[in-house]
Amino acid sequence: KQEVTQIPAALSVPEGENLVLNCSFTDSAIYNLQWFRQDPGKGLTSLLLIQSSQREQTSGRLNASLDKSSGRSTLYIAASQPGDSATYLCASTYSGAGSYQLTFGKGTKLSVIP
Amino acid sequence: DAGVIQSPRHEVTEMGQEVTLRCKPISGHDYLFWYRQTMMRGLELLIYFNNNVPIDDSGMPEDRFSAKMPNASFSTLKIQPSEPRDSAVYFCASSPLGQGVSNEQFFGPGTRLTVL
Repeated sequence: KQEVTQIPAALSVPEGENLVLNCSFTDSAIYNLQWFRQDPGKGLTSLLLIQSSQREQTSGRLNASLDKSSGRSTLYIAASQPGDSATYLCASTYSGAGSYQLTFGKGTKLSVIP
Repeated sequence: DAGVIQSPRHEVTEMGQEVTLRCKPISGHDYLFWYRQTMMRGLELLIYFNNNVPIDDSGMPEDRFSAKMPNASFSTLKIQPSEPRDSAVYFCASSPLGQGVSNEQFFGPGTRLTVL
């Protein structure tokens, strides 16, 4: 069974700092890995999706990398802003028992201090 | 497009009562997913549909849970009878034609269920 782990569970940084969020997964036979943002009381917003054949994806100040061999992904946020404060979740998609399985980590709660 | 629509946004009920959660996916999306989020277990996939047909319901916790998708624009998740341990936020998500779980999913705002 796929397991996805995110460390740390919470992170607090001053505004303007660059930061890295970590995600690890146990089964490297994945189709893709996605990073989501969740604001309090809201649903999930997809940030970046990396297909298994890709090494990284970029969107604005966000860069996500994928290393299947080591079972790791990172989300890099440049020049952090208070508006980046949210919980960030990663999720892996892989095929098991004849159907797709989507497994989420428990998230990293990010606080950017003005 | 209004995005994925869920109703109600909040539901408070008493143990033993039937609860029905509703979801309207984004028009044209052929995949629909139901998730449950709790502090202890995080976000878990309960069931997903492709073209209104349930594909994998292995995440449904018990027989008290059932889900239907009578047409491409509507799905329900029903809990009967409800128990306090069912208290959670339930999310619905949809994904475009031909991409399904292997590509981007769009989430609704969720229904916060409290069972007393």
